[in-house]
Amino acid sequence: DVKVTQSSRYLVKRTGEKVFLECVQDMDHENMFWYRQDPGLGLRLIYFSYDVKMKEKGDIPEGYSVSREKKERFSLILESASTNQTSMYLCASSTGQGFNEKLFFGSGTQLSVL
Amino acid sequence: AQSVTQLGSHVSVSEGALVLLRCNYSSSVPPYLFWYVQYPNQGLQLLLKYTTGATLVKGINGFEAEFKKSETSFHLTKPSAHMSDAAEYFCAVINQAGTALIFGKGTTLSVSS
Repeated sequence: DVKVTQSSRYLVKRTGEKVFLECVQDMDHENMFWYRQDPGLGLRLIYFSYDVKMKEKGDIPEGYSVSREKKERFSLILESASTNQTSMYLCASSTGQGFNEKLFFGSGTQLSVL
Repeated sequence: AQSVTQLGSHVSVSEGALVLLRCNYSSSVPPYLFWYVQYPNQGLQLLLKYTTGATLVKGINGFEAEFKKSETSFHLTKPSAHMSDAAEYFCAVINQAGTALIFGKGTTLSVSS
């Protein structure tokens, strides 16, 4: 089975800190995604990547950046954390060119910014 | 722009009753549609998907959904609810560029005995 691993289940950070959220997948998937999940808002796409060193903005990229130096790892970076970035962050991966491929999700990182 | 609207943020049914979770979509291109389920403290997993072909799509755990173009709907059903079906359900549509999924706000399903 495909495994998507997010490095932390819970994180607590201070306002203004630089925060790194890490995601690793073990099935050689080309595509990786970062979503945030908020109650009543569903999932919203932050960034995605189709290849190493390649990134595309999603619907809510402001305040975030990403890094994909290796195919299996996709990092989400909060340059200066703010309280409105308190959320559940979900990483996902998929293979293939088209979008009849399914997404495989990690279990999420619940980030609290104080 | 592509979007999905899930009608009802919370649905409650009794065990053995019909489950109906509603999803309407807006799409400027032929839509690819998905239902995902999230069990407590877990990531999302795919229930079923519609891309092309048969409009009635069967998924895992006895769920199915019917694509109705005339109604722009993709409602999720299960004939008989089980306690283990209690979860949050998300409808999703592929974006216009065909590069990522756009999710609805989710519907929480509660099942009582």
